[in-house]
Amino acid sequence: DAGITQSPRHKVTETGTPVTLRCHQTENHRYMYWYRQDPGHGLRLIHYSYGVKDTDKGEVSDGYSVSRSKTEDFLLTLESATSSQTSVYFCAIRGEGEDTQYFGPGTRLTVL
Amino acid sequence: QKEVEQDPGPLSVPEGAIVSLNCTYSNSAFQYFMWYRQYSRKGPELLMYTYSSGNKEDGRFTAQVDKSSKYISLFIRDSQPSDSATYLCAMRPNDYKLSFGAGTTVTVRA
Repeated sequence: DAGITQSPRHKVTETGTPVTLRCHQTENHRYMYWYRQDPGHGLRLIHYSYGVKDTDKGEVSDGYSVSRSKTEDFLLTLESATSSQTSVYFCAIRGEGEDTQYFGPGTRLTVL
Repeated sequence: QKEVEQDPGPLSVPEGAIVSLNCTYSNSAFQYFMWYRQYSRKGPELLMYTYSSGNKEDGRFTAQVDKSSKYISLFIRDSQPSDSATYLCAMRPNDYKLSFGAGTTVTVRA
């Protein structure tokens, strides 16, 4: 398995609360991604990072922010969680010049 | 309209059958085409990777890309119960942003 961990693996929270999901890698890869996966939509890119402190928006970035202060950690924050953000969140990493994205095990988030 | 369309299934086949999966897409800039396999409650893992049009074979798996028709396929020969999973197609232009299909859930019955 690629050295990617996500925490927490499961979370239930209430509408309006902030939530932070963590992705940690041991591969020293430059690129990191956050996706959400919902039935009928497949995987959709939320934000990605191309280096420490270098991030950019993806397809569905509204309501989410990210930070990357170290190569190994990429944090996804839901500033004020809504029920529409109930989903499974996957982190992925990619090495420089490589095409393969390696995915973490996912975080199942429920917003009540 | 989504950039990548994939029939969600579900698809149920007997062991030993050929599984045929496909995706269509609308963005003619897509150059790189992939198939990911995702077991239940796990992250996706890369199964096949193809650049531009053509066929690629890897064991029991064959990926085909027809850029003129904007159509890609994955065939699984001699399917096994361990092939039961969701299969996602993915593709990208020259940047590295992937666009995914919704995934097709396949069950291979023993």
